[in-house]
Amino acid sequence: QLQLQESGPRLVKPSETLSLTCTVSGVSMSTTKSYWGWIRQSPGKGLEWIGSIYYSGTTYYHPSFKSRVTISGDTSKNEFSLSLRSATAADSTVYYCVRHWGRAAEISHWGQGTLVTVSS
Amino acid sequence: SYVLTQAPSMSVAPGETARIACGGNNIGSTTVHWYQQRPGQAPLLVISYDRDRASGIPERFSGSNSGNTATLTITNVEAGDEAIYYCQVWDSISDYYVFGIGTEVTVL
Repeated sequence: QLQLQESGPRLVKPSETLSLTCTVSGVSMSTTKSYWGWIRQSPGKGLEWIGSIYYSGTTYYHPSFKSRVTISGDTSKNEFSLSLRSATAADSTVYYCVRHWGRAAEISHWGQGTLVTVSS
Repeated sequence: SYVLTQAPSMSVAPGETARIACGGNNIGSTTVHWYQQRPGQAPLLVISYDRDRASGIPERFSGSNSGNTATLTITNVEAGDEAIYYCQVWDSISDYYVFGIGTEVTVL
């Protein structure tokens, strides 16, 4: 059974890079033709898709984040990562790693979510 | 960008039917997915591609999509259905996922 687990620093200083990793268990990222992505949820903006990476390595980003986000995958560790540069207090929220089958498909699996706070 | 409109909240009595609407310009021409989120939990897929129930979701949950409104219907509502329900589409013009603000369903 596929499971996703987020990990990474819960506290980030303003202007630094917010980095999170998602560990995938139950399936192999390299052989499963899936998309692996990040969604965040805040009281003010609700659910926001940040971007996704296809199993082949191709990435897709929301225009709002495109200038400061990188999503990368490490199939040898069966994990993928989010890097959000120049973090501000507005980036303080819950981040979910997710999986979807197609680029426009439903989000079939979600991690439990992790709260990240950007503060000095 | 594409905008999805949902009522912030609704109340329904146990045993009654909840109809949760998701409005969007000609939303019937795209596909809609629905998620349930209970407090402190991640969202859970309930309906995909307008009307397909996700694995493990009771038959009481159904979906439809036509014109400018997609609807998630919960029949014979139970206390355990209390949650926030989000609709989602793929904005094919802007090329990203869009979510509604969510409708909080309270079971009286």
